[in-house]
Amino acid sequence: LAKTTQPISMDSYEGQEVNITCSHNNIATNDYITWYQQFPSQGPRFIIQGYKTKVTNEVASLFIPADRKSSTLSLPRVSLSDTAVYYCLVGEGGGADGLTFGKGTHLIIQP
Amino acid sequence: GAGVSQTPSNKVTEKGKYVELRCDPISGHTALYWYRQSLGQGPEFLIYFQGTGAADDSGLPNDRFFAVRPEGSVSTLKIQRTERGDSAVYLCASSLGGGIGELFFGEGSRLTVL
Repeated sequence: LAKTTQPISMDSYEGQEVNITCSHNNIATNDYITWYQQFPSQGPRFIIQGYKTKVTNEVASLFIPADRKSSTLSLPRVSLSDTAVYYCLVGEGGGADGLTFGKGTHLIIQP
Repeated sequence: GAGVSQTPSNKVTEKGKYVELRCDPISGHTALYWYRQSLGQGPEFLIYFQGTGAADDSGLPNDRFFAVRPEGSVSTLKIQRTERGDSAVYLCASSLGGGIGELFFGEGSRLTVL
């Protein structure tokens, strides 16, 4: 049973804001939402994590509605270097339950 | 080093051979994870260590796969009687506490079984 559902791919252009939405209808009370970014031939890299409402850091924002059944990763003013695969994870950490990666969203930024 | 180090970066072996992949986590990180990633797929969980013990090995595909972390730092993933289907990138990650929190990944070991 998939814990998360994301679009397989998305396209955008340099300078645009990109929003990637993840569905997690069966999220549990103790689960957090975490996003990772992965470039080819590299390991995933942590972007942002949240539990509810909105979280913002220097690279992204994470919007989580009150029912927590979905979340949206927002990347402001993307550049070509933001072309990567983005993974949404849901869980409480510590082993398989906490850190299951799906297939991710392949984001392609064009000039 | 400052990050998670994995060796070898590339390993080519023949079907039926034994392989060891090493992971050197960030100093002080108690939690260590192994993942396997095939082309076009997300990382697939294999095993999670908290300290020296395997807290969750439910992702190991069969008994040909085994991992150890004897002193709570360096970990070795061992694959016996390799099969062509074992070809993948094996990723190691560490984190400070093991619960929710940032995982720091290495660059992976690419295993090719001929």
